[in-house]
Amino acid sequence: SAVISQKPSRDICQRGTSLTIQCQVDSQVTMMFWYRQQPGQSLTLIATANQGSEATYESGFVIDKFPISRPNLTFSTLTVSNMSPEDSSIYLCSVSTGDTQYFGPGTRLTVL
Amino acid sequence: AQTVTQSQPEMSVQEAETVTLSCTYDTSESNYYLFWYKQPPSRQMILVIRQEAYKQQNATENRFSVNFQKAAKSFSLKISDSQLGDTAMYFCAFGHSNSGYALNFGKGTSLLVTP
Repeated sequence: SAVISQKPSRDICQRGTSLTIQCQVDSQVTMMFWYRQQPGQSLTLIATANQGSEATYESGFVIDKFPISRPNLTFSTLTVSNMSPEDSSIYLCSVSTGDTQYFGPGTRLTVL
Repeated sequence: AQTVTQSQPEMSVQEAETVTLSCTYDTSESNYYLFWYKQPPSRQMILVIRQEAYKQQNATENRFSVNFQKAAKSFSLKISDSQLGDTAMYFCAFGHSNSGYALNFGKGTSLLVTP
């Protein structure tokens, strides 16, 4: 397994601003993932982030809105840009160790 | 595209009883994995159990077991001797190697364990 931390754990932001979420893993991993969980909903994959390459985005998510960095094998950031109330969600990062994913504790974002 | 369907939005069970959560999926992949995750109110996603599609034997983890029917594309979770701490959202998920094991999730089943 892996121990994953996220910062911040929660935030309240004004519309039109941006927030960067950090994800730190206690071991080196090749693949990291970012998911969004809208209120009362399931998890939806935003993008896959491999170290040394551009993130791969799922349909409906674009780099301008959700830029991702992956500077090394233990760290990644997700930025939610130009936020609107519709971006209010829990954002979770996860890592793949072999064939199993482990999740961070999530960042609860509220946009006013 | 892979889809995961959980047809039970909510379920309730009494403490010490057994409950089964249903999940079906659709895929054209041959090498894949199935998972059940638990999400308590703390929102932490906790892996409950995993099953490799190539294994016929059903996975078991203490009080949790699965009934994996590959031909029917069914993957149900059985919780035995339910405990109050089992109260949570349960998500069924599908992953395969071609996507680096990125997961497709079902909509979830909210399980309430009552005294």
